[in-house]
Amino acid sequence: DTAVSQTPKYLVTQMGNDKSIKCEQNLGHDTMYWYKQDSKKFLKIMFSYNNKELIINETVPNRFSPKSPDKAHLNLHINSLELGDSAVYFCASRFGTGPYEQYFGPGTRLTVT
Amino acid sequence: GESVGLHLPTLSVQEGDNSIINCAYSNSASDYFIWYKQESGKGPQFIIDIRSNMDKRQGQRVTVLLNKTVKHLSLQIAATQPGDSAVYFCAVEQTGANNLFFGTGTRLTVIP
Repeated sequence: DTAVSQTPKYLVTQMGNDKSIKCEQNLGHDTMYWYKQDSKKFLKIMFSYNNKELIINETVPNRFSPKSPDKAHLNLHINSLELGDSAVYFCASRFGTGPYEQYFGPGTRLTVT
Repeated sequence: GESVGLHLPTLSVQEGDNSIINCAYSNSASDYFIWYKQESGKGPQFIIDIRSNMDKRQGQRVTVLLNKTVKHLSLQIAATQPGDSAVYFCAVEQTGANNLFFGTGTRLTVIP
């Protein structure tokens, strides 16, 4: 059984397009995250939601908008995609606001051409 | 804020040898420390964690050591196997911050 799942696994799109990435966890966690991993493998937090409420919003362009319809889902919508948005995006989840282990999804590799 | 750095970006070891991956952090208020393993094309996978009230914790073939005085932690892998080849990340968190800071990663290559 997949604990944290993301769709799609790969996303190739052109500059200026709008795209969404979906994340679902079946662990019963109440906190979910989006991370961005650049080409040098550096992982940086973008957003965090606890019980559907946004609690962390790092310095991320307004073109990125997370949405949490319920505790098990956290989606990421990106408007007007730019070349620099190319990266691997990971969803993660855990119980509470920590500190505890976070469980990561398999990642979505976004390529903007 | 917090900055986390791993001492070596790459590490190569012979199969069967022990591996040691080191990590330094900057915020003395950080009290939770965790190691992740990331294989190619996959998400980070939990290996072991430790809290600031401990200085050593052991798992299956892995040991994490924490030295709060010098703000340093290490991951030791015993009898390294080819399946251990991956990128290893340390991450640190301060209770209440809800923000896990990741290091830059060390790529471990096991030579058969």
